[in-house]
Amino acid sequence: SQQGEEDPQALSIQEGENATMNCSYKTSINNLQWYRQNSGRGLVHLILIRSNEREKHSGRLRVTLDTSKKSSSLLITASRAADTASYFCATGGNKLVFGAGTILRVKS
Amino acid sequence: NAGVTQTPKFQVLKTGQSMTLQCAQDMNHNSMYWYRQDPGMGLRLIYYSASEGTTDKGEVPNGYNVSRLNKREFSLRLESAAPSQTSVYFCASSESWTGGWDTIYFGEGSWLTVV
Repeated sequence: SQQGEEDPQALSIQEGENATMNCSYKTSINNLQWYRQNSGRGLVHLILIRSNEREKHSGRLRVTLDTSKKSSSLLITASRAADTASYFCATGGNKLVFGAGTILRVKS
Repeated sequence: NAGVTQTPKFQVLKTGQSMTLQCAQDMNHNSMYWYRQDPGMGLRLIYYSASEGTTDKGEVPNGYNVSRLNKREFSLRLESAAPSQTSVYFCASSESWTGGWDTIYFGEGSWLTVV
């Protein structure tokens, strides 16, 4: 069973535009993480947001967390072709559970 | 610094054959994990090891066995491969035994096809 579910499943935008991906989860969490996966590669950690945080920034990434709605969003500003990848949210303790991911395509 | 290294990269097995996926990390991490990734399913945890000498089942452990050989190495064995085990397998590690609080570092994946 998947704890997090990303929305949309796929997103296609032009270079320079912003990309927003959403994650909903079912049970209470201690933190939520976002990962990126380039085609044919392993996952790479992007950002971790704790349950007592509402927003976190890292470069062009902005993550928000709304524990009352059990949801999180990942915003990538001024997207680049190199941002083309799948993005996953993950929650849990030792047994970190990943969602099915959002496939982002940035067209140049 | 190689991070998490897993072998082989690609493997084709016949139904009923056995094989072992090898994984090693050079970051002195305590926790190690095996995930499988199927199209549209995200990653599902097969087994994890919070420390040397301990292993625990994840979401989809049936048909698999694991060995935490030492702190560096965590192997995944398919005793009798089935077509349903065709997948991409990822080994991963994290510093803490409370893995969910840490960054998890992933290997590059092993593509396994069972025919």
